Amino acid sequence: ELKVEQNPLFLSMQEGKNYTIYCNYSTTSDRLYWYRQDPGKSLESLFVLLSNGAVKQEGRLMASLDTKARLSTLHITAAVHDLSATYFCAVPADRGSTLGRLYFGRGTQLTVWP
Amino acid sequence: NAGVTQTPKFQVLKTGQSMTLQCAQDMNHNSMYWYRQDPGMGLRLIYYSASEGTTDKGEVPNGYNVSRLNKREFSLRLESAAPSQTSVYFCASSVRTGLSNQPQHFGDGTRLSIL
Repeated sequence: ELKVEQNPLFLSMQEGKNYTIYCNYSTTSDRLYWYRQDPGKSLESLFVLLSNGAVKQEGRLMASLDTKARLSTLHITAAVHDLSATYFCAVPADRGSTLGRLYFGRGTQLTVWP
Repeated sequence: NAGVTQTPKFQVLKTGQSMTLQCAQDMNHNSMYWYRQDPGMGLRLIYYSASEGTTDKGEVPNGYNVSRLNKREFSLRLESAAPSQTSVYFCASSVRTGLSNQPQHFGDGTRLSIL
């Protein structure tokens, strides 16, 4: 069974600081998704990473994918309070399949304080 | 543009009662999914429907049944609710993954408490 591990699970950081969230997965996959969830809300898609070496950036967030290492990172640059949320990575369960099943990490709860 | 709509948003049940959670999407997506989210556990797939007319079990299907009523609607039924099924339930939809790079789109969730 595919396992997806995120770390850290809890992250408290000061505004203006940089930090990286890590997502490791246990089997070969050629794509990975990052989602954001605000408290009590739904999940919002942040990034879709489709190949080895893929890098996507939006605002203060940058995501990358290393399929050989089975690792994705979500880097936060100069954090602001609005980035406080829970971040999930998700990996397809069936490589090359159209079934679309996803396995999610447990999430990283990020709190940015002044 | 509604996206994925779930009803109800909140529900309290007694142990042993049954209920159906409704989900509808207006994006002409082929695939639909039901997840549950428990504190500290991330999302776990209950059932999914890769296309209209098909349904399959996910990671945690026990105690649930589903119906893909048509292309738009995918319902989740609890036949005899148990306290362990207290959770937040999310419905999601997507274009068939192998044909698209698009992510899954999620509804707002149903918060279900079973006493």
